[in-house]
Amino acid sequence: KAGVTQTPRYLIKTRGQQVTLSCSPISGHRSVSWYQQTPGQGLQFLFEYFSETQRNKGNFPGRFSGRQFSNSRSEMNVSTLELGDSALYLCASGHYPETQYFGPGTRLLVL
Amino acid sequence: KNEVEQSPQNLTAQEGEFITINCSYSVGISALHWLQQHPGGGIVSLFMLSSGKKKHGRLIATINIQEKHSSLHITASHPRDSAVYICAVPPSRGSQGNLIFGKGTKLSVKP
Repeated sequence: KAGVTQTPRYLIKTRGQQVTLSCSPISGHRSVSWYQQTPGQGLQFLFEYFSETQRNKGNFPGRFSGRQFSNSRSEMNVSTLELGDSALYLCASGHYPETQYFGPGTRLLVL
Repeated sequence: KNEVEQSPQNLTAQEGEFITINCSYSVGISALHWLQQHPGGGIVSLFMLSSGKKKHGRLIATINIQEKHSSLHITASHPRDSAVYICAVPPSRGSQGNLIFGKGTKLSVKP
């Protein structure tokens, strides 16, 4: 079974731009969660989707949004990028609170 | 809000040594997760446990629900065990999110 895939793996943007990241879960998994990891704050939960519905949301501003498609693939979008949005963005599939399977992450650098 | 504390922050060991990483949390939980993150960024879920002890190869995880404390042990450590180990717990009831993460313990095993 293929693992969780994320695209792109690396991304450089400038302040004010927007970015869309993609996550394809393990086949058969209907839940996708997104996390942000920074050196200062560590890992933080962004949101979780299940069957195209946002089931849970972390404490992030509205510039961070996401969606899930009928094939369980998920995208997250960050608008009006700030320098502090530079981070590793990880998605994971698997039904919380059971074991989650993480993707390799997208490393975003905002200049 | 559930607070998660890990110790030590950094750990250097010689190959073959027995390793212990500790995790304490402030609010009662249903289950605790141990994750491993290698330098490339990928995260692997090692254990999810709600009571007692679990063992997988050279890794052993224990949890004491009454004391709100968990430990991750590595027996006969090897350089390939070098990674950041992160514990994670659910947020307290009524809080948003699905997991609260510790800051991680960076383990370096020298040959």
